[in-house]
Amino acid sequence: GEDVEQSLFLSVREGDSSVINCTYTDSSSTYLYWYKQEPGAGLQLLTYIFSNMDMKQDQRLTVLLNKKDKHLSLRIADTQTGDSAIYFCAEITGNQFYFGTGTSLTVIP
Amino acid sequence: DAGVTQSPTHLIKTRGQHVTLRCSPISGHKSVSWYQQVLGQGPQFIFQYYEKEERGRGNFPDRFSARQFPNYSSELNVNALLLGDSALYLCASSLGIYNEQFFGPGTRLTVL
Repeated sequence: GEDVEQSLFLSVREGDSSVINCTYTDSSSTYLYWYKQEPGAGLQLLTYIFSNMDMKQDQRLTVLLNKKDKHLSLRIADTQTGDSAIYFCAEITGNQFYFGTGTSLTVIP
Repeated sequence: DAGVTQSPTHLIKTRGQHVTLRCSPISGHKSVSWYQQVLGQGPQFIFQYYEKEERGRGNFPDRFSARQFPNYSSELNVNALLLGDSALYLCASSLGIYNEQFFGPGTRLTVL
Protein backbone atom coordinates (compact mmCIF):
# COMPACT_ATOMS: atom_id res chain seq x y z
CA GLY A 1 0.00 0.00 0.00
CA GLU A 2 2.87 2.42 -0.40
CA ASP A 3 2.29 3.66 -3.97
CA VAL A 4 -0.16 6.53 -3.96
CA GLU A 5 0.10 8.67 -7.06
CA GLN A 6 -1.20 12.09 -7.99
CA SER A 7 -0.63 14.53 -10.80
CA LEU A 8 1.71 17.27 -9.67
CA PHE A 9 0.02 20.46 -10.82
CA LEU A 10 -3.44 21.84 -11.56
CA SER A 11 -4.48 25.37 -12.51
CA VAL A 12 -8.07 26.56 -12.58
CA ARG A 13 -9.86 29.87 -12.85
CA GLU A 14 -11.66 31.27 -9.84
CA GLY A 15 -15.26 30.08 -9.82
CA ASP A 16 -14.57 26.95 -11.88
CA SER A 17 -14.55 23.44 -10.48
CA SER A 18 -11.28 21.67 -9.66
CA VAL A 19 -10.83 17.93 -9.89
CA ILE A 20 -7.80 16.37 -8.22
CA ASN A 21 -7.12 12.73 -8.95
CA CYS A 22 -5.33 10.01 -7.03
CA THR A 23 -4.58 6.34 -7.62
CA TYR A 24 -3.68 3.93 -4.88
CA THR A 25 -2.55 0.34 -4.83
CA ASP A 26 -3.81 -1.34 -1.67
CA SER A 27 -7.32 -2.71 -2.14
CA SER A 28 -7.53 -3.47 1.58
CA SER A 29 -7.45 0.21 2.51
CA THR A 30 -10.36 0.93 4.83
CA TYR A 31 -10.39 4.70 4.62
CA LEU A 32 -9.08 7.18 2.08
CA TYR A 33 -8.38 10.76 3.00
CA TRP A 34 -7.84 14.17 1.46
CA TYR A 35 -5.57 16.65 3.20
CA LYS A 36 -4.76 20.27 2.33
CA GLN A 37 -1.39 21.88 3.00
CA GLU A 38 -0.86 25.59 2.70
CA PRO A 39 2.67 27.00 2.37
CA GLY A 40 4.74 26.51 5.52
CA ALA A 41 1.91 24.81 7.36
CA GLY A 42 0.94 21.35 8.51
CA LEU A 43 -1.74 19.19 6.94
CA GLN A 44 -5.42 19.96 7.36
CA LEU A 45 -7.88 17.09 7.08
CA LEU A 46 -10.50 18.03 4.48
CA THR A 47 -12.60 14.92 4.19
CA TYR A 48 -12.44 11.16 4.07
CA ILE A 49 -14.39 8.31 2.57
CA PHE A 50 -14.94 4.80 3.80
CA SER A 51 -13.92 2.18 1.29
CA ASN A 52 -17.43 0.76 0.88
CA MET A 53 -18.77 4.11 -0.31
CA ASP A 54 -18.78 5.46 -3.87
CA MET A 55 -19.31 9.11 -3.15
CA LYS A 56 -19.30 11.57 -0.31
CA GLN A 57 -20.34 15.21 -0.49
CA ASP A 58 -19.37 17.82 2.06
CA GLN A 59 -20.36 21.38 1.13
CA ARG A 60 -18.14 22.36 -1.84
CA LEU A 61 -16.21 19.08 -1.70
CA THR A 62 -17.22 15.88 -3.47
CA VAL A 63 -15.17 12.71 -3.14
CA LEU A 64 -15.60 9.93 -5.68
CA LEU A 65 -14.18 6.47 -5.14
CA ASN A 66 -13.80 3.85 -7.85
CA LYS A 67 -12.65 0.86 -5.89
CA LYS A 68 -12.34 -1.38 -8.94
CA ASP A 69 -9.83 0.98 -10.55
CA LYS A 70 -8.38 2.12 -7.19
CA HIS A 71 -9.07 5.69 -8.20
CA LEU A 72 -10.03 8.52 -5.87
CA SER A 73 -10.94 12.05 -6.83
CA LEU A 74 -11.67 15.29 -5.03
CA ARG A 75 -13.90 17.85 -6.71
CA ILE A 76 -13.93 21.39 -5.37
CA ALA A 77 -16.90 23.38 -6.60
CA ASP A 78 -16.68 27.15 -7.11
CA THR A 79 -12.93 27.17 -6.50
CA GLN A 80 -11.67 30.25 -4.66
CA THR A 81 -8.21 31.79 -4.39
CA GLY A 82 -8.07 30.55 -0.80
CA ASP A 83 -8.19 27.01 -2.15
CA SER A 84 -4.69 27.43 -3.61
CA ALA A 85 -2.60 24.85 -1.77
CA ILE A 86 -1.14 21.38 -2.10
CA TYR A 87 -3.65 18.55 -1.80
CA PHE A 88 -2.63 15.10 -0.63
CA CYS A 89 -4.61 11.92 -0.82
CA ALA A 90 -3.75 9.27 1.73
CA GLU A 91 -4.72 5.70 2.34
CA ILE A 92 -4.60 3.86 5.61
CA THR A 93 -3.39 0.30 5.47
CA GLY A 94 -3.43 -1.38 8.84
CA ASN A 95 -2.32 1.43 11.07
CA GLN A 96 -0.06 3.21 8.60
CA PHE A 97 -0.89 6.21 6.48
CA TYR A 98 0.57 6.40 3.00
CA PHE A 99 0.47 9.79 1.34
CA GLY A 100 0.52 10.66 -2.30
CA THR A 101 3.03 13.02 -3.83
CA GLY A 102 0.63 15.94 -3.61
CA THR A 103 -1.11 18.08 -6.26
CA SER A 104 -0.35 21.78 -6.26
CA LEU A 105 -3.56 23.65 -7.04
CA THR A 106 -3.24 27.21 -8.34
CA VAL A 107 -6.38 29.29 -8.59
CA ILE A 108 -6.18 32.13 -11.10
CA PRO A 109 -8.27 35.19 -10.21
CA ASP B 1 -9.62 23.24 22.12
CA ALA B 2 -5.95 23.29 21.33
CA GLY B 3 -4.84 21.32 18.35
CA VAL B 4 -1.64 19.36 18.01
CA THR B 5 1.34 21.46 19.06
CA GLN B 6 4.96 20.96 18.13
CA SER B 7 8.17 22.54 19.29
CA PRO B 8 10.38 24.08 18.20
CA THR B 9 8.96 25.55 14.99
CA HIS B 10 12.36 25.89 13.36
CA LEU B 11 15.73 24.35 14.11
CA ILE B 12 19.16 24.57 12.53
CA LYS B 13 21.75 21.90 13.27
CA THR B 14 25.04 20.77 11.79
CA ARG B 15 25.95 17.33 10.50
CA GLY B 16 26.66 14.81 13.21
CA GLN B 17 24.61 16.54 15.89
CA HIS B 18 21.46 15.13 17.40
CA VAL B 19 18.04 16.70 17.69
CA THR B 20 14.91 16.22 19.81
CA LEU B 21 11.53 17.30 18.51
CA ARG B 22 8.45 17.48 20.72
CA CYS B 23 4.76 16.98 20.15
CA SER B 24 1.67 17.39 22.30
CA PRO B 25 -1.45 15.65 21.00
CA ILE B 26 -5.01 16.85 21.09
CA SER B 27 -6.51 16.30 24.52
CA GLY B 28 -7.99 12.81 24.72
CA HIS B 29 -5.93 11.43 21.85
CA LYS B 30 -3.77 8.50 22.80
CA SER B 31 -1.89 7.91 19.56
CA VAL B 32 0.90 9.99 18.10
CA SER B 33 2.53 9.48 14.72
CA TRP B 34 5.60 11.11 13.23
CA TYR B 35 6.21 11.91 9.58
CA GLN B 36 9.08 13.35 7.58
CA GLN B 37 8.20 15.62 4.69
CA VAL B 38 11.04 16.48 2.39
CA LEU B 39 10.47 19.55 0.23
CA GLY B 40 8.28 18.75 -2.73
CA GLN B 41 7.18 15.35 -1.48
CA GLY B 42 4.38 13.85 0.54
CA PRO B 43 4.87 12.96 4.20
CA GLN B 44 6.67 9.69 4.89
CA PHE B 45 5.67 7.66 7.92
CA ILE B 46 8.35 7.30 10.61
CA PHE B 47 6.67 6.01 13.79
CA GLN B 48 3.34 5.50 15.46
CA TYR B 49 2.93 5.26 19.23
CA TYR B 50 -0.15 4.26 21.15
CA GLU B 51 -0.41 4.01 24.91
CA LYS B 52 3.35 4.57 25.18
CA GLU B 53 4.19 1.61 22.95
CA GLU B 54 5.54 1.63 19.42
CA ARG B 55 2.84 0.31 17.11
CA GLY B 56 4.38 1.01 13.74
CA ARG B 57 7.70 1.92 12.18
CA GLY B 58 8.45 3.15 8.70
CA ASN B 59 11.55 2.57 6.63
CA PHE B 60 13.94 4.84 8.52
CA PRO B 61 17.39 4.05 9.96
CA ASP B 62 18.04 3.35 13.62
CA ARG B 63 19.29 6.92 14.01
CA PHE B 64 15.61 7.77 14.34
CA SER B 65 13.94 6.93 17.63
CA ALA B 66 10.90 8.12 19.52
CA ARG B 67 9.00 7.67 22.71
CA GLN B 68 5.63 8.55 24.19
CA PHE B 69 5.12 9.75 27.72
CA PRO B 70 2.34 8.97 30.21
CA ASN B 71 0.59 12.22 29.26
CA TYR B 72 0.66 11.00 25.60
CA SER B 73 3.08 13.66 24.45
CA SER B 74 5.94 12.40 22.34
CA GLU B 75 9.53 13.07 21.38
CA LEU B 76 11.30 12.23 18.14
CA ASN B 77 15.06 11.90 18.38
CA VAL B 78 17.46 11.86 15.46
CA ASN B 79 21.15 11.10 16.02
CA ALA B 80 24.17 11.70 13.79
CA LEU B 81 22.28 14.15 11.59
CA LEU B 82 22.85 14.06 7.84
CA LEU B 83 22.16 16.77 5.29
CA GLY B 84 19.35 14.61 3.95
CA ASP B 85 17.54 14.80 7.28
CA SER B 86 16.60 18.38 6.46
CA ALA B 87 12.82 18.33 6.25
CA LEU B 88 9.55 19.32 7.85
CA TYR B 89 8.78 16.90 10.67
CA LEU B 90 5.10 16.48 11.26
CA CYS B 91 3.38 15.04 14.27
CA ALA B 92 -0.18 13.76 14.09
CA SER B 93 -2.47 12.63 16.85
CA SER B 94 -5.50 10.39 16.76
CA LEU B 95 -7.90 8.84 19.20
CA GLY B 96 -6.66 5.38 18.48
CA ILE B 97 -4.45 3.54 16.08
CA TYR B 98 -6.89 3.40 13.18
CA ASN B 99 -8.62 6.76 13.50
CA GLU B 100 -8.15 9.84 11.32
CA GLN B 101 -5.04 11.79 12.15
CA PHE B 102 -4.83 15.49 12.95
CA PHE B 103 -1.57 17.17 12.15
CA GLY B 104 0.47 19.78 13.94
CA PRO B 105 2.18 22.67 12.13
CA GLY B 106 5.48 20.82 12.00
CA THR B 107 9.08 21.51 12.93
CA ARG B 108 11.31 22.70 10.11
CA LEU B 109 14.76 21.11 10.57
CA THR B 110 17.69 22.38 8.56
CA VAL B 111 20.96 20.45 8.71
CA LEU B 112 24.04 22.35 7.51
